[in-house]
Amino acid sequence: EPEVTQTPSHQVTQMGQEVILRCVPISNHLYFYWYRQILGQKVEFLVSFYNNEISEKSEIFDDQFSVERPDGSNFTLKIRSTKLEDSAMYFCASSEDSVEKLFFGSGTQLSVL
Amino acid sequence: GDSVTQMEGPVTLSEEAFLTINCTYTATGYPSLFWYVQYPGEGLQLLLKATKADDKGSNKGFEATYRKETTSFHLEKGSVQVSDSAVYFCALHHNAGNMLTFGGGTRLMVKP
Repeated sequence: EPEVTQTPSHQVTQMGQEVILRCVPISNHLYFYWYRQILGQKVEFLVSFYNNEISEKSEIFDDQFSVERPDGSNFTLKIRSTKLEDSAMYFCASSEDSVEKLFFGSGTQLSVL
Repeated sequence: GDSVTQMEGPVTLSEEAFLTINCTYTATGYPSLFWYVQYPGEGLQLLLKATKADDKGSNKGFEATYRKETTSFHLEKGSVQVSDSAVYFCALHHNAGNMLTFGGGTRLMVKP
C-alpha cells in the first residue's frame, strides 16, 4: 500500500537554527498538509497546500514557517529560526481529493535545544 | 472555534475486554467526524468516519455513532486484541475549512 514518507524521524537542533523537514506524499495525491503535536497536547493543523500554493494556514504558521514542493515529489516544511516551543512531532499528510481521507506519515520528532 | 475532547489515557485492558473511548466535540453546524489510529512507529490512519447525525462508522470491529444531541462520537469495540494497542485520535472536519481538528489522542494498551 502506498504511504507517506517523512525524513528524518528525529531531528535535534539548536535554538535559532534553520531546519527543513521533508516529506514524500503519495504520488497521485494533490493536497498536502503539515500538522504538529507538542508532547501531551492536541494534534494541531499548520498548513494545507494545493496547486503549488498555500490554501489555508493556522495562526501557528507565522513568518518563521514556510512550505515548498521543490521538485514535484517532495513537500518540505522549513522553520527559519527555531524556538524551544517548536519542539514537537511534525506530521505530513496528503490526500487525493478530500481532507476527509488523509494519509499521514509517521512523523518527525523535532527537538530544539 | 471548533474543538474535540477525548478521554485521557492510557486505557489499559485485558484481551477480549470491551472498549469505549469517549469523544465529544464543539462545532457549529454539522461537521464530519473521524477516528484515526496510530500504531507504534507508524503514521495516523483513518479508522472510521461518519458524515451526518445518527450515522455509524465501522471498521475492523470498531464502531462509533454520530450523536448530534450529545455532540459525541464515542469509539467502541466489543472484544479488543493485543494488536489493537495504539493511540486513537478523534477528529472533526467542518465543511467551511480544509483542515481536521483533532483531540489529544488516547493511548490504548491491551494485555494478553
